[in-house]
Amino acid sequence: KQEVTQIPAALSVPEGENLVLNCSFTDSAIYNLQWFRQDPGKGLTSLLLIQSSQREQTSGRLNASLDKSSGRSTLYIAASQPGDSATYLCAVWTGTASKLTFGTGTRLQVTL
Amino acid sequence: SAVISQKPSRDICQRGTSLTIQCQVDSQVTMMFWYRQQPGQSLTLIATANQGSEATYESGFVIDKFPISRPNLTFSTLTVSNMSPEDSSIYLCSVGTGRHQPQHFGDGTRLSIL
Repeated sequence: KQEVTQIPAALSVPEGENLVLNCSFTDSAIYNLQWFRQDPGKGLTSLLLIQSSQREQTSGRLNASLDKSSGRSTLYIAASQPGDSATYLCAVWTGTASKLTFGTGTRLQVTL
Repeated sequence: SAVISQKPSRDICQRGTSLTIQCQVDSQVTMMFWYRQQPGQSLTLIATANQGSEATYESGFVIDKFPISRPNLTFSTLTVSNMSPEDSSIYLCSVGTGRHQPQHFGDGTRLSIL
């Protein structure tokens, strides 16, 4: 059974800092990994999708990497802004299960 | 990406009643899913809504409690039946067009049971 863990559970950084969020998964037989953000009281917004054959994806100040063999992904946020404050979730699509399995989330607060 | 409309956005219901949540997508999609997010928790898949056939439920979720319909490729409903306070959660509809494409979510339905 796929299990997805995110570390840290919560993070507070001053504006302008670069930061890394971590995601690990137990079953490396994945098709893709997706990063989402969730604002309080809102649904999920898709940020980046990395296929299993890819090593990284970039969108603006966001860069996600994938090391499938070690079961790890990182989300790098450059020059953080207060608007980046949200909960970040990673999810993996596992072939045998044909569904997304979500991580536990990292709650990020960027302070002025 | 697909635009997903979920109704209602929130509701407060009495114990023992049922509520049906609607999910409408602006384009045809292959896959539709229903998730539950309990307070302070991550997302748990309830079921995959299959067009023209019975939904596929995850372990711990049953059709009698969470009946699902999907009459076409753009619409699905989830009913939360005989509600109790433990059903207080956010219920989210999600859609996808295949495992090589991103999955997208509606804004969710915030449900509180008194």
